Amino acid sequence: GAGVSQSPRYKVAKRGQDVALRCDPISGHVSLFWYQQALGQGPEFLTYFQNEAQLDKSGLPSDRFFAERPEGSVSTLKIQRTQQEDSAVYLCASSLVTGTSSYEQYFGPGTRLTVT
Amino acid sequence: AQKITQTQPGMFVQEKEAVTLDCTYDTSDPSYGLFWYKQPSSGEMIFLIYQGSYDQQNATEGRYSLNFQKARKSANLVISASQLGDSAMYFCAMLFTNKLIFGTGTLLAVQP
Repeated sequence: GAGVSQSPRYKVAKRGQDVALRCDPISGHVSLFWYQQALGQGPEFLTYFQNEAQLDKSGLPSDRFFAERPEGSVSTLKIQRTQQEDSAVYLCASSLVTGTSSYEQYFGPGTRLTVT
Repeated sequence: AQKITQTQPGMFVQEKEAVTLDCTYDTSDPSYGLFWYKQPSSGEMIFLIYQGSYDQQNATEGRYSLNFQKARKSANLVISASQLGDSAMYFCAMLFTNKLIFGTGTLLAVQP
């Protein structure tokens, strides 16, 4: 595909359920990012991968959040024992180049998670 | 600490008029990048324009230009000749250690 894709686009989970959100980055993109966007707010950084290595996970809000990118392409963000405060849009982005301030991050359409 | 401030929660502009969306930033790092993204109601973040801290010229991309005033730490987005399709949320962001730090956004409504 031409852009970053995410699935599912919408997810409703009951409190306490585990969820898995998938991101397919643009082919060949080295870096992959996850952001969380609460309603009416700007996106907030969660975690960053360079190929399969998770280089920064400082934004993950708790140990219930876990992300992986085992083969350096597709990534999965997993949330265990979901809570209502986890309700948000989860955005994935990828970029081609690292180590410079000029690279552009391309975003996917996001997954809207609603925890009831 | 790095911070982006967008003080305009919402803006109105008449079609074909120009509009300026404000953005100020705070960082002690001499090397940084500033971005503007557009987020329509569909939710996807669309890259508009980039300005590097060492760039001498203000960035321009079609109808978008960035009014970069380094001493004032501001990076305002100017949209010329507004179109109805420009109605969306606009976010200013700074790149810091490979991650984007976003402001709270400005909702722009273009009126016919």
